[in-house]
Amino acid sequence: GQNIDQPTEMTATEGAIVQINCTYQTSGFNGLFWYQQHAGEAPTFLSYNVLDGLEEKGRFSSFLSRSKGYSYLLLKELQMKDSASYLCAVSGNNRKLIWGLGTSLAVNP
Amino acid sequence: GAVVSQHPSWVICKSGTSVKIECRSLDFQATTMFWYRQFPKQSLMLMATSNEGSKATYEQGVEKDKFLINHASLTLSTLTVTSAHPEDSSFYICSAPTLGGGGDTQYFGPGTRLTVL
Repeated sequence: GQNIDQPTEMTATEGAIVQINCTYQTSGFNGLFWYQQHAGEAPTFLSYNVLDGLEEKGRFSSFLSRSKGYSYLLLKELQMKDSASYLCAVSGNNRKLIWGLGTSLAVNP
Repeated sequence: GAVVSQHPSWVICKSGTSVKIECRSLDFQATTMFWYRQFPKQSLMLMATSNEGSKATYEQGVEKDKFLINHASLTLSTLTVTSAHPEDSSFYICSAPTLGGGGDTQYFGPGTRLTVL
C-alpha cells in the first residue's frame, strides 16, 4: 500500500529551529513536496525534492533520502506566523499527490 | 507566476439546490486540475482529476453524478455540487499542476467554503 507518516503535532519556541520528519512508502515516486497550510486557508507550496540532498530556501530547508523513504522540513528562526499545518506529499502516478495527514506546528513566544 | 483562482470564496445555499465552483489558472495553462475536499481538522481528500477535453476521473467513493466536473478550457475547470445536503458542507479546493517549483508542482486556489443549510 501507499503510506506517508508525519508527526501529528509539534511545539516550538519563537526564534528556535524545528525539524518536521516525513517517511513514505509509495508505489511510484516523482518527487516529494512540502506545503504550508494556515487554518481556514488553502495549502501554499514550500519546497520540492526529487534528488537526494538538501534544498535551501531562506528560513526553510527540505531534505530527501530516497533510499530511506525519508524527508524532513527544517524551519529556522521561527516566527509566530509559522504556526500552521505542514503537509508532506509524494507525487505518484498520473500527477496525483499522495498526502500525509499533516503536522500541526504551534510556535510559542 | 503560477496563480490559481477560485470563485466564489464562500457560498451558503439551501438543501436541494446546486452550487457551481470555478477554478481558473491565471498565468498558465492546465490540461489537468484536481478537486479536493477538506473537513475541519482533517487532511485533504482528493475527489477527482479534471481533464481538459475528456471526462473527469473520480476517486473511489466519490459520486460522479453528484459532483459534476467540466474542464471547459485550458484555464477553467468547474465543480458543480448537485442537490446539495448539509453533509456536503466543506472546504473545496482546486489545484493545477505546472512546472513551477522545480517539479510538476500543484498550485492551489484559495478554496471555497460551502455551507448547506
